[in-house]
Amino acid sequence: DTGVSQDPRHKITKRGQNVTFRCDPISEHNRLYWYRQTLGQGPEFLTYFQNEAQLEKSRLLSDRFSAERPKGSFSTLEIQRTEQGDSAMYLCASSSQAPGANVLTFGAGSRLTVL
Amino acid sequence: DAKTTQPNSMESNEEEPVHLPCNHSTISGTDYIHWYRQLPSQGPEYVIHGLTSNVNNRMASLAIAEDRKSSTLILHRATLRDAAVYYCILRDTGNQFYFGTGTSLTVIP
Repeated sequence: DTGVSQDPRHKITKRGQNVTFRCDPISEHNRLYWYRQTLGQGPEFLTYFQNEAQLEKSRLLSDRFSAERPKGSFSTLEIQRTEQGDSAMYLCASSSQAPGANVLTFGAGSRLTVL
Repeated sequence: DAKTTQPNSMESNEEEPVHLPCNHSTISGTDYIHWYRQLPSQGPEYVIHGLTSNVNNRMASLAIAEDRKSSTLILHRATLRDAAVYYCILRDTGNQFYFGTGTSLTVIP
């Protein structure tokens, strides 16, 4: 297993366009998290899946953001009608549910620039 | 959301020990204390975690105060590759991990 993969690594888009990011977690991990990080800040929690169920979504998350994990494996994060304030690094992490193993493994992130 | 407080930045000389403090006065009895670090242009990386007892692994040691309201990450011998932002996080029973702004560690050659 090569760890958590995210695609694309970089995305430049114009304001108003839709973008989609993909995350492939470590295969035996049933938990998947999305975070957003802007320059100089720590990662900000967006949403969390256990298998295919989306268990929590940040209250700060706009309705323009939606995430799915249809078969409990990979996940997608879509941002509709992008705004310049959406420019950030989008980080995906996965973890196991096994006792003592609930630690996060992060991907390298997808950097979004909205022009 | 559980909160942690860390100094914004710290410096250490290469090959000397580093003690990175974290305050978490509102911690509950079931919250785990986690530490992650983030090197430039990379995603965060797990360092160590614990509940009540001190913990050691190949990367670092974690010293947890008896009242659990503070903890210290100890790097026994800082190298230039340890220069990163270090995050102290509480993981609650809902399996949420909330990051603060962390401590930026500079290692001086």
